[in-house]
Amino acid sequence: GAGVSQTPSNKVTEKGKYVELRCDPISGHTALYWYRQSLGQGPEFLIYFQGTGAADDSGLPNDRFFAVRPEGSVSTLKIQRTERGDSAVYLCASSLTYGADEQYFGPGTRLTVT
Amino acid sequence: QKEVEQNSGPLSVPEGAIASLNCTYSDRGSQSFFWYRQYSGKSPELIMSIYSNGDKEDGRFTAQLNKASQYVSLLIRDSQPSDSATYLCAVNGGSNYKLTFGKGTLLTVNP
Repeated sequence: GAGVSQTPSNKVTEKGKYVELRCDPISGHTALYWYRQSLGQGPEFLIYFQGTGAADDSGLPNDRFFAVRPEGSVSTLKIQRTERGDSAVYLCASSLTYGADEQYFGPGTRLTVT
Repeated sequence: QKEVEQNSGPLSVPEGAIASLNCTYSDRGSQSFFWYRQYSGKSPELIMSIYSNGDKEDGRFTAQLNKASQYVSLLIRDSQPSDSATYLCAVNGGSNYKLTFGKGTLLTVNP
C-alpha cells in the first residue's frame, strides 16, 4: 500500500515568511509524528498526534511552530516568521496506534530559509 | 536528558563480512528499540524492531538487546555494497510514542 507522503519535497523561502508543510499518513494509521533532522544529526521529535489532538507538542522549538490535524488524517506543520535556523529536513511518521508501534517515515520536506 | 549514543563511524567493512553496529541509551525505562537505515538524501527506513532481551533475526539482520547493560546492537551478515548507509538507533522511552535517535553510524561496504 501507499506509504507516508509529504509535500512539498523541497521548499525555499525567505527569512520572515510563513510556510506550511503537509503530511498524509499511511491509511488507517491513527498516530502521526513530526520530527526535524539537521545535517549529521538524528531526527528530533517535534509533536505527536493521536487522532485529531496534539497529545504532546513538547518538541516544538518555540511558538512560531504550530501543527494541526483537523480530521485525524492529514496534518499540516506551520512555521511563522521563518528564520535561517529553521532550515532542516522535516520528517513525518505514522504508526498504527498509540504505543510502542513501529513508526514509518515519509520522504521528508527539505526546508531552506534564505 | 534522555540520550542515545552511537559511534559516528565511518565503519568500513569488506563485502561479505559482518558489520556490527552498537548503540547505548540512558533511559532505563525504555521499552522499544528500533534500527533505521538512511541512505544519503533519503528518509529513515525501518529495518528492525526489538522489544525484549536477546536476539531477533530477520534475514541478514540480527538485532540484539541487553536492557541490563542498556545496549542494543545490529549485526549485518554477508554485507553488501547496497548496505552502505547511515544506521540510526532509535529508542522509545516510557512515554511510548516519542522516539529518541542517536546521531547514526555511517557504514561503508567495500566491494
